[in-house]
Amino acid sequence: QKEVEQNSGPLSVPEGAIASLNCTYSDRGSQSFFWYRQYSGKSPELIMSIYSNGDKEDGRFTAQLNKASQYVSLLIRDSQPSDSATYLCAAPLNTGNQFYFGTGTSLTVIP
Amino acid sequence: ETGVTQSPTHLIKTRGQQVTLRCSSQSGHNTVSWYQQALGQGPQFIFQYYREEENGRGNFPPRFSGLQFPNYSSELNVNALELDDSALYLCASSLGPGQIRDEQFFGPGTRLTVL
Repeated sequence: QKEVEQNSGPLSVPEGAIASLNCTYSDRGSQSFFWYRQYSGKSPELIMSIYSNGDKEDGRFTAQLNKASQYVSLLIRDSQPSDSATYLCAAPLNTGNQFYFGTGTSLTVIP
Repeated sequence: ETGVTQSPTHLIKTRGQQVTLRCSSQSGHNTVSWYQQALGQGPQFIFQYYREEENGRGNFPPRFSGLQFPNYSSELNVNALELDDSALYLCASSLGPGQIRDEQFFGPGTRLTVL
């Protein structure tokens, strides 16, 4: 089992819809989780961090964490074509010094 | 903009050569991590430097080495380049291990092509 797993997609949603991206992780000791957005040919950009169980909202983005199920998700409301990118889930080992990334989910928002 | 810079942007080398990639971290960030990202994959952790000492290493051979300097700059050195080393190399700066907020912020990356 990989440390962080994501559905690779691709995921397509119409403009204005909710996009739902999912991630599971194997290290029960992990305390922090991150979502990065990566446009083609660019480097990853941090869009959300979450440290506690429950939901965390930032604008159109909501991250959800369930430590018991070792599951973290990202919801993008009112999806825009500019949201089309690859979304990477990341979590450090509980030692804190090594981030594991999923393989990313490719999202396309169709105008 | 994350305040993290990398140079060069692109680099072409031949098999067997050596390469040095450079990174300048955000001011105040005393930790830098280096990643290799192959096409279609997530970044793979190479190693981390904290206060100029190696602080963790991923599953990469010893020909991948690094340095961190007091002025927030760092280097990734790769010896005896192989074709499979062709990838996007990313550095990420952060406040450091043990911090409550341990977000990592990436530089723009160096695209290395090995022929």
